[in-house]
Amino acid sequence: GIQVEQSPPDLILQEGANSTLRCNFSDSVNNLQWFHQNPWGQLINLFYIPSGTKQNGRLSATTVATERYSLLYISSSQTTDSGVYFCAARSISSGSARQLTFGSGTQLTVLP
Amino acid sequence: DTAVSQTPKYLVTQMGNDKSIKCEQNLGHDTMYWYKQDSKKFLKIMFSYNNKELIINETVPNRFSPKSPDKAHLNLHINSLELGDSAVYFCASSPTQWDEKLFFGSGTQLSVL
Repeated sequence: GIQVEQSPPDLILQEGANSTLRCNFSDSVNNLQWFHQNPWGQLINLFYIPSGTKQNGRLSATTVATERYSLLYISSSQTTDSGVYFCAARSISSGSARQLTFGSGTQLTVLP
Repeated sequence: DTAVSQTPKYLVTQMGNDKSIKCEQNLGHDTMYWYKQDSKKFLKIMFSYNNKELIINETVPNRFSPKSPDKAHLNLHINSLELGDSAVYFCASSPTQWDEKLFFGSGTQLSVL
């Protein structure tokens, strides 16, 4: 099945800094999503982005499907951005397998 | 208005017991899922139902039995609980089985003692 790798595994920032999180995947995808798990455990869907670029406030994401990676940008980080960021992907060649495969996440800590 | 709600939020029980987790979504979605998150935060799908029909059944012990009485509800029953079942269980839904933008519930922290 598809492999999804995220980097870096851990990231510590000062409030106000910018950051880029990366997600590499081993196969062509027709589904790529980014999630934020806050310190209380809630999983929030940030972007559904199998290709192209999207922006939502201070967050934006870009997926370059031909090169098999996606990037999540966080600008002017705030302490509330802390948590774990997951990307999840489904391979085009997954056939009847409809499930998303999750990466192992990037633990982000934003210090005041 | 909670979109995907699951109960209970915490479940502490003894080995060997049977327990259930309930999930409901009010988004009008066709497809619902159970995911398991282990202690290292790794998320893995367990089951998926589309309009009450089981469509994904990963390699999960048959002590775990999902039930979908209607497309808005997906419950998870676990028999003979083991220590290794301790984890956070998330319910999720998506508009269709192919349009898989996932919306998660708040999770159920299961601790087996």
